[in-house]
Amino acid sequence: EAQVTQNPRYLITVTGKKLTVTCSQNMNHEYMSWYRQDPGLGLRQIYYSMNVEVTDKGDVPEGYKVSRKEKRNFPLILESPSPNQTSLYFCASSPGVDTDTQYFGPGTRLTVL
Amino acid sequence: DQQVKQNSPSLSVQEGRISILNCDYTNSMFDYFLWYKKYPAEGPTFLISISSIKDKNEDGRFTVFLNKSAKHLSLHIVPSQPGDSAVYFCAASGDYKLSFGAGTTVTVRA
Repeated sequence: EAQVTQNPRYLITVTGKKLTVTCSQNMNHEYMSWYRQDPGLGLRQIYYSMNVEVTDKGDVPEGYKVSRKEKRNFPLILESPSPNQTSLYFCASSPGVDTDTQYFGPGTRLTVL
Repeated sequence: DQQVKQNSPSLSVQEGRISILNCDYTNSMFDYFLWYKKYPAEGPTFLISISSIKDKNEDGRFTVFLNKSAKHLSLHIVPSQPGDSAVYFCAASGDYKLSFGAGTTVTVRA
C-alpha cells in the first residue's frame, strides 16, 4: 500500500530534550516536506527536500532541522524543543519537485511541557 | 504574514445544496492552486487543483474557479453530501513551496 508513515503519532516531552520525528514514504517520491498545523493558522511549511541531500527552508524553519540521506526518509529533528513547538506535525511527499498532489502522513501530535 | 487566506472559518450547508468555499491570496508568483480535505485524526488528502493558466477545473461534484485579477479562488461542491463534512484547506504553490490557508470547516446537515 502506498503510504507516508510518521512515528511517533503522539509525543509528550519536556523543554530542551532533543527529539526526532521520523517520516518514511514507499512511493519513491523525490519531494518531501514537513508542516505544522496550528489553530487559526492552517498548515505552515517547515522544511522541504527536492531530493537526497537537497533540503531548504520553508516558512517557519526556526528551531527545526532535517536531513535527507535516503530518498524514502525525511526525519524532523528538534534539538531543543520549546513549548511554542507544541503542534500537530505532518510529513508529506510528492512524485516530483512540483508540489501538487502531495500525499500526507497521519500526523504527529507533539506536546512540549 | 499569511499569503493565503480563508476568511470563513466555518460553513454549514444542507445536504443536496451547493457548498462554496472561498480563498484569497496575495502573492502573484503563485502558479498552481490546490484544495485539500482533512478529516479528524487523518492527514490532508488532495481534492482538486488548478493551474494559473486556467480559470476553471471540474472533477465530478467539485469545481474550482480561479480569478487571477482578483487573486481569488473558490471551490464549489454540488451536491453536498454528509461525507463532505471536513476541514478544507486552500493551498498555493510557487518556487517549490506550498502555502496553506487556515482552513474552512464544512458541516453538511441532513
